[in-house]
Amino acid sequence: GNSVTQMEGPVTLSEEAFLTINCTYTATGYPSLFWYVQYPGEGLQLLLKATKADDKGSNKGFEATYRKETTSFHLEKGSVQVSDSAVYFCALSPTGRRALTFGSGTRLQVQP
Amino acid sequence: DTGVSQDPRHKITKRGQNVTFRCDPISEHNRLYWYRQTLGQGPEFLTYFQNEAQLEKSRLLSDRFSAERPKGSFSTLEIQRTEQGDSAMYLCASSPLRGGGGTEAFFGQGTRLTVV
Repeated sequence: GNSVTQMEGPVTLSEEAFLTINCTYTATGYPSLFWYVQYPGEGLQLLLKATKADDKGSNKGFEATYRKETTSFHLEKGSVQVSDSAVYFCALSPTGRRALTFGSGTRLQVQP
Repeated sequence: DTGVSQDPRHKITKRGQNVTFRCDPISEHNRLYWYRQTLGQGPEFLTYFQNEAQLEKSRLLSDRFSAERPKGSFSTLEIQRTEQGDSAMYLCASSPLRGGGGTEAFFGQGTRLTVV
């Protein structure tokens, strides 16, 4: 079946530190891959996506590259801010299906 | 456009009671999804509508759960004979008809159900 595995949190960083949140997946075919973010008190929002191998999704300084050979979609940001504190979810949409399969989420806490 | 709207935001019910949640998707979004999220976990897919047709249901959706989207606009999710294990956040999302599997889903803020 389809599954997404994320690194467990919380991840605690100082402002301006480099961020990596690991995500690996299991799926047949060529799924689309997503990172969603949930800020405190808000609903899930799409952060970035990639729909085919070697695509790089980017938004708000965050990046992730679709690596089919390692079945990974790691999230990175060069310099985090306090406002990036949130829960980050990696997700996939299998080929030919609409439903998203989510990882368990990684809480990021950025300290000033 | 105010985004995906869910009502109520919070619901506390006694075990054994029935509850119904409502979701209003973004207007003109043909696709509507329900997910369930428990504490510390990611959302789990429950069911998916395209217009008024329910095209997919998860095995998580037991016989006590039923979802409808009668006119292809708003949707309701009903849970009959609630159990404590039903306590969770119920999320609704919508997306436009165009586009393939990479189409963004827009999520509501959810309905938090507590069964006591």
